[in-house]
Amino acid sequence: DTGVSQDPRHKITKRGQNVTFRCDPISEHNRLYWYRQTLGQGPEFLTYFQNEAQLEKSRLLSDRFSAERPKGSFSTLEIQRTEQGDSAMYLCASSASPGQDDSNQPQHFGDGTRLSIL
Amino acid sequence: QKEVEQDPGPLSVPEGAIVSLNCTYSNSAFQYFMWYRQYSRKGPELLMYTYSSGNKEDGRFTAQVDKSSKYISLFIRDSQPSDSATYLCAPRDDKIIFGKGTRLHILP
Repeated sequence: DTGVSQDPRHKITKRGQNVTFRCDPISEHNRLYWYRQTLGQGPEFLTYFQNEAQLEKSRLLSDRFSAERPKGSFSTLEIQRTEQGDSAMYLCASSASPGQDDSNQPQHFGDGTRLSIL
Repeated sequence: QKEVEQDPGPLSVPEGAIVSLNCTYSNSAFQYFMWYRQYSRKGPELLMYTYSSGNKEDGRFTAQVDKSSKYISLFIRDSQPSDSATYLCAPRDDKIIFGKGTRLHILP
């Protein structure tokens, strides 16, 4: 059983550099989510995709952030011109779409990419 | 007022004790209420979820929702050292809103 996979697990970079993270969701899941988690806080929603369409973006997602899911399978999250405040754990989750009755489809998380900005 | 309030702890209890973890929320539109467990340096893992008010039991875990008071609880019976983790309450309407999480330590 392959769960949600994220790569790399840890990224250390200098301020001002660009970074890209990858997420491979559970194969039968058509929804994919990105979250950010800082120390002592719960995950905060950034954006989500249904198949290849990006359906929602949080106010937290500044124009330095861009996410893609070109073929509706894996997704990438890129941060340009990184800042100290970008240091966090970036989590990816996937789920099936809600049923016709909007029944809950639980999100399953990867183990995240920890970003450290020097 | 934040949408989801959760005491960050840490909460330390002896092995075998009953643990009670709680959250309050403000958005009456929340319909699904989830609990996630997160070990250090790992992603959150779904423990269980309930729909609307009521109780749900799964092994040693019981989730309870009281929508009238906007109060969510998770009870752990016969707590084990392996239960030591951060527990995140996570209600949702169209998206999940996570609490800060409560750090739980089970003392052997």
